Amino acid sequence: EAGVVQSPRYKIIEKKQPVAFWCNPISGHNTLYWYLQNLGQGPELLIRYENEEAVDDSQLPKDRFSAERLKGVDSTLKIQPAELGDSAVYLCASSPGGRWGNEQFFGPGTRLTVL
Amino acid sequence: QQPVQSPQAVILREGEDAVINCSSSKALYSVHWYRQKHGEAPVFLMILLKGGEQKGHEKISASFNEKKQQSSLYLTASQLSYSGTYFCGTEYNNNDMRFGAGTRLTVKP
Repeated sequence: EAGVVQSPRYKIIEKKQPVAFWCNPISGHNTLYWYLQNLGQGPELLIRYENEEAVDDSQLPKDRFSAERLKGVDSTLKIQPAELGDSAVYLCASSPGGRWGNEQFFGPGTRLTVL
Repeated sequence: QQPVQSPQAVILREGEDAVINCSSSKALYSVHWYRQKHGEAPVFLMILLKGGEQKGHEKISASFNEKKQQSSLYLTASQLSYSGTYFCGTEYNNNDMRFGAGTRLTVKP
């Protein structure tokens, strides 16, 4: 079974530039999460999708961050414009749902560096 | 409501045991445990649900005290491969997950 796929793995941009991250969850997983992880810290939830619906985006900085999950499969997270403080690893995770559905499978992450 | 983990770091010799704790100030639906090695994605270890059910790896054990809103992860007879950062994730309702800051475990030969 293929795992969660994320691209790119690394991204270096100048501040004020836009950037986008892509995630393809495990086939059949209805729940998709985007997390931000700073060095030495635990993942921080940005947004959670149930199929194509964003059901928890309370921690997403909506002035510069946006996300979409068209057709309820893969998802894109965008930052525009990027700031120096956005440098972090952006993790995508998926979950199958159901009784044990909360077990999350993480992708390798995208390491963003904003210069 | 980020859960609080303790200790922040622990160093062991192979074969020694360790306990990692996770506590919440709010009533929990479930507790998850993940391990993350440097530069890699977090990997699922165990989930403990309110009511006593749990799912996880055979070599990993954990407890969940619903009244105290606390969970502990027990690592026995540690191996070098156990090294990494352990995160607990707490759910206050279905799928609303928050992670702790992590406990860095180092196992030495």
